[in-house]
Amino acid sequence: SQQGEEDPQALSIQEGENATMNCSYKTSINNLQWYRQNSGRGLVHLILIRSNEREKHSGRLRVTLDTSKKSSSLLITASRAADTASYFCATGGFQKLVFGTGTRLLVSP
Amino acid sequence: GAGVSQSPSNKVTEKGKDVELRCDPISGHTALYWYRQSLGQGLEFLIYFQGNSAPDKSGLPSDRFSAERTGGSVSTLTIQRTQQEDSAVYLCASSTMTSGGYNEQFFGPGTRLTVL
Repeated sequence: SQQGEEDPQALSIQEGENATMNCSYKTSINNLQWYRQNSGRGLVHLILIRSNEREKHSGRLRVTLDTSKKSSSLLITASRAADTASYFCATGGFQKLVFGTGTRLLVSP
Repeated sequence: GAGVSQSPSNKVTEKGKDVELRCDPISGHTALYWYRQSLGQGLEFLIYFQGNSAPDKSGLPSDRFSAERTGGSVSTLTIQRTQQEDSAVYLCASSTMTSGGYNEQFFGPGTRLTVL
């Protein structure tokens, strides 16, 4: 079964709005990563947050991590049409990453 | 520099035929991974290669699936006697341990396999 579960499964917003997606996981982690996937093809790494961090920023991205609740959130501020994609959280060690089920984000102009 | 490449980008085959999917990882990356993504689903881990160590095959769904990595670089995923449920996008990724000790994987564009 998947380690991570994202919600919502799908999110539709207007350009300029913020998008928040959440990820829950089941076991203890060293770090958690977020990836973006366009058009059902290759994934691109967005950001990593370590287990001893609570919040991290990268450009318009903000990630939070609550290890007590085994959850993380990804916030995209001032969204753009180009942000339309599926977003996945991933946990695991060097041997493999276990991906969540993903959130499909649609940003309309 | 060059990223991870995969070929073919699309493959249509008939049920029962064998297929080979190829992955060229980023030069110098010691780790290589294969994942499968069915329509609208998340990624399912298939197999992991690390250097000269024995691969982790724990994710392979059946003995019809096999993979090899020659010379620590190029990898081939082979599916024998394909079934319709094998239809999916097959993604390859490579990685190297960072100085921070974590694993950022770099993905190829994938091969979309359709079994008729």
